[in-house]
Amino acid sequence: GDSVTQMEGPVTLSEEAFLTINCTYTATGYPSLFWYVQYPGEGLQLLLKATKADDKGSNKGFEATYRKETTSFHLEKGSVQVSDSAVYFCALRGRGSTLGRLYFGRGTQLTVWP
Amino acid sequence: KAGVTQTPRYLIKTRGQQVTLSCSPISGHRSVSWYQQTPGQGLQFLFEYFSETQRNKGNFPGRFSGRQFSNSRSEMNVSTLELGDSALYLCASSAPLENEQFFGPGTRLTVL
Repeated sequence: GDSVTQMEGPVTLSEEAFLTINCTYTATGYPSLFWYVQYPGEGLQLLLKATKADDKGSNKGFEATYRKETTSFHLEKGSVQVSDSAVYFCALRGRGSTLGRLYFGRGTQLTVWP
Repeated sequence: KAGVTQTPRYLIKTRGQQVTLSCSPISGHRSVSWYQQTPGQGLQFLFEYFSETQRNKGNFPGRFSGRQFSNSRSEMNVSTLELGDSALYLCASSAPLENEQFFGPGTRLTVL
């Protein structure tokens, strides 16, 4: 079945450091891929998405490229800020009978120090 | 446009009781999905409703049920609460023909 595996944290970085959070997936067909972010005490916010191979999603300095050949959707940011401290979730949405369901990774806690 | 709203935000119940959680989707969204988030199991899919019909269901016992009304608002119900039902329950909505889901702030349920 469909599934997502993401790098588990915690990840601790200094401000302005480069961030990579790895995410790989298993799915039949061509799923849509997402990164969500969760701040303490809040729900999930959509950070970026990609719907087909080689698409690059980007938002607020974060980027991720849909790589079908490696079944990956790694999240990157060139220079993190203290305000980026949160939990990041990689997710996929399949096709067909599971269309309305998101499959999530376990989440990666990111802490950025000034 | 208002986001997804969930009520109540916090609930404390005792074992054996039942609880009803409410979710109002973004205007125009007809699909509503529910997820349970716990530290041990992460984010797990409960069910999805579209146009008042359950379209998908996750692997939860029958104590977990839901419904959707004609205005797309949705409720989920948990009967005979157990300690392990303590979690953050998240609702998400999506628009027709769109594949991203937008989440509400969640309802934090504590079972004592």
